[in-house]
Amino acid sequence: DAKTTQPTSMDCAEGRAANLPCNHSTISGNEYVYWYRQIHSQGPQYIIHGLKNNETNEMASLIITEDRKSSTLILPHATLRDTAVYYCIVRVLLSSGSARQLTFGSGTQLTVLP
Amino acid sequence: KAGVTQTPRYLIKTRGQQVTLSCSPISGHRSVSWYQQTPGQGLQFLFEYFSETQRNKGNFPGRFSGRQFSNSRSEMNVSTLELGDSALYLCASSFWDNRPDTQYFGPGTRLTVL
Repeated sequence: DAKTTQPTSMDCAEGRAANLPCNHSTISGNEYVYWYRQIHSQGPQYIIHGLKNNETNEMASLIITEDRKSSTLILPHATLRDTAVYYCIVRVLLSSGSARQLTFGSGTQLTVLP
Repeated sequence: KAGVTQTPRYLIKTRGQQVTLSCSPISGHRSVSWYQQTPGQGLQFLFEYFSETQRNKGNFPGRFSGRQFSNSRSEMNVSTLELGDSALYLCASSFWDNRPDTQYFGPGTRLTVL
């Protein structure tokens, strides 16, 4: 799986949009971009994934650049409960064998401030 | 729909003992993966089961083993516990044959080895 680069930490004011960037410049055509988050000492929570089009669900939006070398996760109205470590992961489309395991990097610690 | 459940949530053992952790996947999911998370090593893949067969294995010693039952529930066992086995053990489930196949995590079992 392609390597990802994320900022170590970010702050966001409560009620404002949180924009979390991820660089995946070596992504290949058959790799999806996945986002998970982990609130302290809990299991990672799936947020969203995408291939090349922008995606939106009830939790967040995912904006992928046209060249697919980077993406941004947007939490439209951050709350204190969104404070967590956010992980950007790329995974092959046809997941089989060792490619199925998730490889988490260090992620971005997002702190939502009151 | 109920999420992934793991039991027990917390466990304290002493060195040399063995431990068994349990995971019930989301209804309809047939793949179960196990991960170990420690502050120093981050999230590391242990193994994945599908259709009662181990399909993929991470780089852990043979003291770590697992199995899957016909109802897709899974257990992992750690024998001869060492202090370094203290960690959050996470289970994730997925359908297996989706493209892409999103993994959903349980809350984890916090194991402390004294």
